Amino acid sequence: NAGVTQTPKFQVLKTGQSMTLQCAQDMNHNSMYWYRQDPGMGLRLIYYSASEGTTDKGEVPNGYNVSRLNKREFSLRLESAAPSQTSVYFCASSNNQPQHFGDGTRLSIL
Amino acid sequence: SQQGEEDPQALSIQEGENATMNCSYKTSINNLQWYRQNSGRGLVHLILIRSNEREKHSGRLRVTLDTSKKSSSLLITASRAADTASYFCATDGSSNYKLTFGKGTLLTVNP
Repeated sequence: NAGVTQTPKFQVLKTGQSMTLQCAQDMNHNSMYWYRQDPGMGLRLIYYSASEGTTDKGEVPNGYNVSRLNKREFSLRLESAAPSQTSVYFCASSNNQPQHFGDGTRLSIL
Repeated sequence: SQQGEEDPQALSIQEGENATMNCSYKTSINNLQWYRQNSGRGLVHLILIRSNEREKHSGRLRVTLDTSKKSSSLLITASRAADTASYFCATDGSSNYKLTFGKGTLLTVNP
């Protein structure tokens, strides 16, 4: 019962470095999502993929890119990390509703 | 922008007491959901209520929805220390895919 798996769990980057966060789901879900969670802000949608082969911007897409590699995998890339991108990143998947979440990647950018 | 706003931001109660959290939202919805997040973990879905429903139960959880007031409440009865977590409401607006989350209520249940 893996569900949604995110790697890595923790990462520290220097400003300007690039990084890809990985997400995989084994529930045969069509839709996948990337959120960021900041203290006191709840979750904000960065990008989502309604189905394999499609991606769309969410509320806070600037500074990020995504790839829906196949039905199982949805990656999030930071091309040039900035301190403002320090956050906890969550991946989720669903067939319509509800959404199922991974345990997050805690990312610090110095 | 946050669609849902939970109230209160934090709630501390004793084991066995009931906990009530409220959520207000701004636009029309298809459904409203409640999620729980334990410290250091991802969100876990608790319950979904559709816009044409007024009340829904699941175990010790009771959710109400008032679309005329654009508000919902989550009641946890006979709370346990294990219920200590943050609780978030989420609305879907006009999209079948995108959810908008509130900032959450941190519930602490003291043994």
